[in-house]
Amino acid sequence: AQKITQTQPGMFVQEKEAVTLDCTYDTSDPSYGLFWYKQPSSGEMIFLIYQGSYDQQNATEGRYSLNFQKARKSANLVISASQLGDSAMYFCAMREGLKSNDYKLSFGAGTTVTVRA
Amino acid sequence: NAGVTQTPKFRVLKTGQSMTLLCAQDMNHEYMYWYRQDPGMGLRLIHYSVGEGTTAKGEVPDGYNVSRLKKQNFLLGLESAAPSQTSVYFCASSIHDRVFPNEQFFGPGTRLTVL
Repeated sequence: AQKITQTQPGMFVQEKEAVTLDCTYDTSDPSYGLFWYKQPSSGEMIFLIYQGSYDQQNATEGRYSLNFQKARKSANLVISASQLGDSAMYFCAMREGLKSNDYKLSFGAGTTVTVRA
Repeated sequence: NAGVTQTPKFRVLKTGQSMTLLCAQDMNHEYMYWYRQDPGMGLRLIHYSVGEGTTAKGEVPDGYNVSRLKKQNFLLGLESAAPSQTSVYFCASSIHDRVFPNEQFFGPGTRLTVL
């Protein structure tokens, strides 16, 4: 079964508007972390934001925020005030198990965001 | 610091040929990973290493071998390339720390085409 599901293959957003990228996850482990990475057209993977399963508050990092709904197993990324440079593919990923010592990440299929001027 | 570097950036192989992809990191990270990225499938873990001299299989290890003879290097080998191995390969590294987030740092990727 897929551990990370991103149901939006592509999205368009107007410059300066906000956009929400969906991510749902599947795990039975009570201890896990959720990550979002950005991949621009140049190909590199850029770490954006992280949410731990025990974190009480939603993570924020500049214009990025994570809408974490633990009961629904969702960790949606919100990008506020979109800029042309935000056009990229965005990946949601999960690491399970604080006791695990391999730190493996499971990735979703990604969502392509195109920001329109 | 160069971070994580990968060699080569591009490569075209014929079916049956062999090659080695090199990943190097200068951050003194214990953990290193090899992923492949295919359209519509995100990144999938091929092999990983939790320290010098140790390797383990990931989600899609068949057709690949790895070695971690030095802490800073992680090699991915294809003994007999197949068209199904056409992909973009990413190397990543992270520190040995159970405390989150402990994010992975990625290299720029290697685009491999097998004809």
